[in-house]
Amino acid sequence: DGGITQSPKYLFRKEGQNVTLSCEQNLNHDAMYWYRQDPGQGLRLIYYSQIVNDFQKGDIAEGYSVSREKKESFPLTVTSAQKNPTAFYLCASSITGTGPSSPLHFGNGTRLTVT
Amino acid sequence: AQKITQTQPGMFVQEKEAVTLDCTYDTSDPSYGLFWYKQPSSGEMIFLIYQGSYDQQNATEGRYSLNFQKARKSANLVISASQLGDSAMYFCAMREGHRDNYGQNFVFGPGTRLSVLP
Repeated sequence: DGGITQSPKYLFRKEGQNVTLSCEQNLNHDAMYWYRQDPGQGLRLIYYSQIVNDFQKGDIAEGYSVSREKKESFPLTVTSAQKNPTAFYLCASSITGTGPSSPLHFGNGTRLTVT
Repeated sequence: AQKITQTQPGMFVQEKEAVTLDCTYDTSDPSYGLFWYKQPSSGEMIFLIYQGSYDQQNATEGRYSLNFQKARKSANLVISASQLGDSAMYFCAMREGHRDNYGQNFVFGPGTRLSVLP
C-alpha cells in the first residue's frame, strides 16, 4: 500500500546535538512538507518542497534544514540552533497542479524530546 | 490574521448522538478548498472530508458531512451517530487556489478536542 513512512516514532537527544528525522513516501507525490505540532496546538509549516532539489522555508524554518535529493525522500534536520526543538513532527505530501482540491497525506509522526 | 478559526477547544457528545464542530475561515481567493482532519491520541492525521469553494452541494463521506455556508465563510463538520472511536482532535484546514503552484498554501485551525461519552 502507498503511504508515508516517518522514522523513528520516538527520538531522544541531548541539547546541542543535531538530529535528522526521516520521511519517505511511495505515493509518487511531487510536493512534500514538514510540520511542527506543539501540545494542544495546530500545525505550523517548517519547510516544503514542490520538486526535487528545490525547497522553500515555511513559517518557522529557523533552526531547521532539509534536503530533497530524491522525489521519495524529504529528511528534516533539527539543528542545535533551534531553541525549543521538543515537539511532534509531521511529514506530509500532496499532488500538485490540481488546484486547491488535493489533500495532504500525512505520516505517523516523530516525537522528538531534547533534554 | 487568523485564517482558520475553531472556537470550541473541547466538545463532549453522547455516544450515538450527532455533533457539530465549528470552523470559520477567511480568504479573498475565490478558489479554495476546505478540509477536515482527525488526529487520534496516537498522533497520525487522518483526512476526513473535502469541500471545494465552487461545490454546490455539501460534501458527505459516510458519517461525516460538511455544512458549507459560503456567505458566512463557515465550514462546520457534522458527525452523525457518534462512536467512542471518534474521540480525537479535529482540525479544519484551508488550501487557497491561487497559491497552489507555490506551496505553503495549507492553513490549519487550532483544533477541537472531541470526547464521546458512553
